[in-house]
Amino acid sequence: DAGVIQSPRHEVTEMGQEVTLRCKPISGHDYLFWYRQTMMRGLELLIYFNNNVPIDDSGMPEDRFSAKMPNASFSTLKIQPSEPRDSAVYFCASTTSGRAAVRPNEQFFGPGTRLTVL
Amino acid sequence: AQSVAQPEDQVNVAEGNPLTVKCTYSVSGNPYLFWYVQYPNRGLQFLLKYITGDNLVKGSYGFEAEFNKSQTSFHLKKPSALVSDSALYFCAVRPPYNQGGKLIFGQGTELSVKP
Repeated sequence: DAGVIQSPRHEVTEMGQEVTLRCKPISGHDYLFWYRQTMMRGLELLIYFNNNVPIDDSGMPEDRFSAKMPNASFSTLKIQPSEPRDSAVYFCASTTSGRAAVRPNEQFFGPGTRLTVL
Repeated sequence: AQSVAQPEDQVNVAEGNPLTVKCTYSVSGNPYLFWYVQYPNRGLQFLLKYITGDNLVKGSYGFEAEFNKSQTSFHLKKPSALVSDSALYFCAVRPPYNQGGKLIFGQGTELSVKP
């Protein structure tokens, strides 16, 4: 397996523009997480899904942020409109808690998307 | 409130010396405990976990961690540090009732190993 795939790896945009980050989880994983990492706030959980259904979005900072998971192999995190304070590295991670899994409960992280909003 | 604390923002160690990165948690019940490592410009990588059994857990790259229930700690250790161990280390906890794999992360500890 190629691991968790995120795109783009880097994104530079101007304030007010829409930004869409993409994630492909590891095949067979039924949980998907979106995190944000900044120097000031550390690693923050934004939202997570189970079987494509959002379970906890309490970490989403405000209505400008939205996330979807239309199927088991794809998720998006959208920021509209973007602001300079959204600049951060955004990580996607996936896992499964299935007893039959080889490495249950371990979250596998993607390489991240470094977002810069000017 | 559930939380994970890594009391040291940075740990400095000389190569060849033992290292310890501290972690304490505040979660009721018997949680799952994890350590992750993050190298520059990379995502987090799993190092080791404790679920049940022997309190001393061995993981990747020669790291180990000791679970201490009475002190609610899960310190990361390595007998002999390498320069290549320099990275950001995160402790994480999964509360026992949480079936969703959601982890509570500490704020991270920057480990610097000097030659």
